[in-house]
Amino acid sequence: GAVVSQHPSWVICKSGTSVKIECRSLDFQATTMFWYRQFPKQSLMLMATSNEGSKATYEQGVEKDKFLINHASLTLSTLTVTSAHPEDSSFYICSARGLQGRGNTIYFGEGSWLTVV
Amino acid sequence: QKEVEQDPGPLSVPEGAIVSLNCTYSNSAFQYFMWYRQYSRKGPELLMYTYSSGNKEDGRFTAQVDKSSKYISLFIRDSQPSDSATYLCAMSRNSGNTPLVFGKGTRLSVIA
Repeated sequence: GAVVSQHPSWVICKSGTSVKIECRSLDFQATTMFWYRQFPKQSLMLMATSNEGSKATYEQGVEKDKFLINHASLTLSTLTVTSAHPEDSSFYICSARGLQGRGNTIYFGEGSWLTVV
Repeated sequence: QKEVEQDPGPLSVPEGAIVSLNCTYSNSAFQYFMWYRQYSRKGPELLMYTYSSGNKEDGRFTAQVDKSSKYISLFIRDSQPSDSATYLCAMSRNSGNTPLVFGKGTRLSVIA
């Protein structure tokens, strides 16, 4: 079964609004979570690394003020797309690296489809 | 040169065929190697995980790592139409906070 849960699975929002996507590790504690976006027929592009209790580390070219990441607990990280625009429409996927038992393996959530209209 | 190279395909094979997927990489520091399967509009699903060199078998899937050649492979025996998906190789230097580096993925179609 799924070990990383992502919510919502899909969301449609109006341009200019903000959308929050949640990523939860279900049966393990995740000190580190990663956020990716993926365009159709393209590979995963790392956006940021989220560490519990500290600021996220963003990849070059990713606007930290637009893509707010919060990792407030060992089982939850959130990505908020602020003032969304149509070009932000994409598939957003989180992944989590475990703390115990699953420490060397990264599992992915099911992904969230964002469509900005 | 990209850190991880993977032929995007598409690769089309008949049902029952043996499928060989592979990736090459340039960073000799990579120690952990993974293969993920991604169905359309879904998140990647971990298929195989290997540490350092060697082979690992799980059912119809076999993963091979050759660190001397910086080459990893995934073999699928008795391929099924349900194996049709995009297969992504991924690797990392350590098990800490280092994110995975992905290949572009190979699209596989198994024709009944």
